Amino acid sequence: GQNIDQPTEMTATEGAIVQINCTYQTSGFNGLFWYQQHAGEAPTFLSYNVLDGLEEKGRFSSFLSRSKGYSYLLLKELQMKDSASYLCAVGDSTLTFGKGTMLLVSP
Amino acid sequence: KAGVTQTPRYLIKTRGQQVTLSCSPISGHRSVSWYQQTPGQGLQFLFEYFSETQRNKGNFPGRFSGRQFSNSRSEMNVSTLELGDSALYLCASSLGLTTDTQYFGPGTRLTVL
Repeated sequence: GQNIDQPTEMTATEGAIVQINCTYQTSGFNGLFWYQQHAGEAPTFLSYNVLDGLEEKGRFSSFLSRSKGYSYLLLKELQMKDSASYLCAVGDSTLTFGKGTMLLVSP
Repeated sequence: KAGVTQTPRYLIKTRGQQVTLSCSPISGHRSVSWYQQTPGQGLQFLFEYFSETQRNKGNFPGRFSGRQFSNSRSEMNVSTLELGDSALYLCASSLGLTTDTQYFGPGTRLTVL
């Protein structure tokens, strides 16, 4: 089976940096995905890690350690529009999602 | 390229009824997955179809079923609706490999009264 843990909520201020952690225990692993979901909207793809290390894409970076069953999403230079739910998902034969981290960015 | 589309966007049904939801994947995508999203349980996998065959199934009762057509469009059906079936139903399409990124449609908001 799959077990994926993320913090339920986080708050941060505009312009700051925030790190959203995700730990997982899974029977199989084909990669780890991060999605962003604004209220009332569909999840949108942010990043994919299959090898250990850091993947950087603009203001967003994602890190993976397969041996530790750990990933994080790093958001820099936070903007108000980054207020959303961030979903960690582990790929195996299917995609299993964590329950998401609601990030609130305040001015 | 057009994104994933789902119809209808909103649906209100009563207990005991059945419902059919439709999903059109991104052109060229052969895999369609369905998810149920609720505030308490988050996104839960229902099933995945690839080339008209169910490739994987989540832990949901048999009242939940689906199918995929030769043009990759997919439908899911829920029979004998229960109050607990109220949720956002999302479909996602991908090229077909398990490592491929899934792209989500806007969802169908189902309310069961």
